[in-house]
Amino acid sequence: AAGVIQSPRHLIKEKRETATLKCYPIPRHDTVYWYQQGPGQDPQFLISFYEKMQSDKGSIPDRFSAQQFSDYHSELNMSSLELGDSALYFCASSLSTSRPAAFFGQGTRLTVV
Amino acid sequence: AQSVTQLGSHVSVSEGALVLLRCNYSSSVPPYLFWYVQYPNQGLQLLLKYTTGATLVKGINGFEAEFKKSETSFHLTKPSAHMSDAAEYFCAVRTFYNQGGKLIFGQGTELSVKP
Repeated sequence: AAGVIQSPRHLIKEKRETATLKCYPIPRHDTVYWYQQGPGQDPQFLISFYEKMQSDKGSIPDRFSAQQFSDYHSELNMSSLELGDSALYFCASSLSTSRPAAFFGQGTRLTVV
Repeated sequence: AQSVTQLGSHVSVSEGALVLLRCNYSSSVPPYLFWYVQYPNQGLQLLLKYTTGATLVKGINGFEAEFKKSETSFHLTKPSAHMSDAAEYFCAVRTFYNQGGKLIFGQGTELSVKP
């Protein structure tokens, strides 16, 4: 069965650079969530989208932005990267109304040097 | 607001022994509860979930969890640990859709299995 696809799997950027992370949800899933997991930490919610509209916002820095496109894939844009942004970034997708479960991608490991 | 507390950041068991990972939740409305497993450098894999109905939920890899409303608990168990069960386990509660539907995770419990 198709799963949530994230790209790239690994990304190395320098401070003050920009990064774009992509997420392709499970087919027919209309809701996408982004999470950030720092080393040894639990995943922290960043932002979510339902039907291409932002549905909720968590502890996402102002330097980050995200959107969901017409094909339901989502991109997380991160600017002015800081060392503290180094983390594993997960995308999850769900069918908002029928299936109360979120399926996660493998994550993108971002390292800022 | 919902929250999740996992008791014990590290649990160590011997192979073949009972696995018990504790999770307590706080929710003002009936919760949807989840257990995820994360292997090193891997994504989060859904082990099992409770939504409504039967309070004893069976998941993959022989794990099960019981929703106990009176104790606000959703502990994860497995009768006999296997070396391959060594991983990080996260309990999560899902907010209702009018609150965004996001998952709120506990702090995680690292399970070690000794031979």
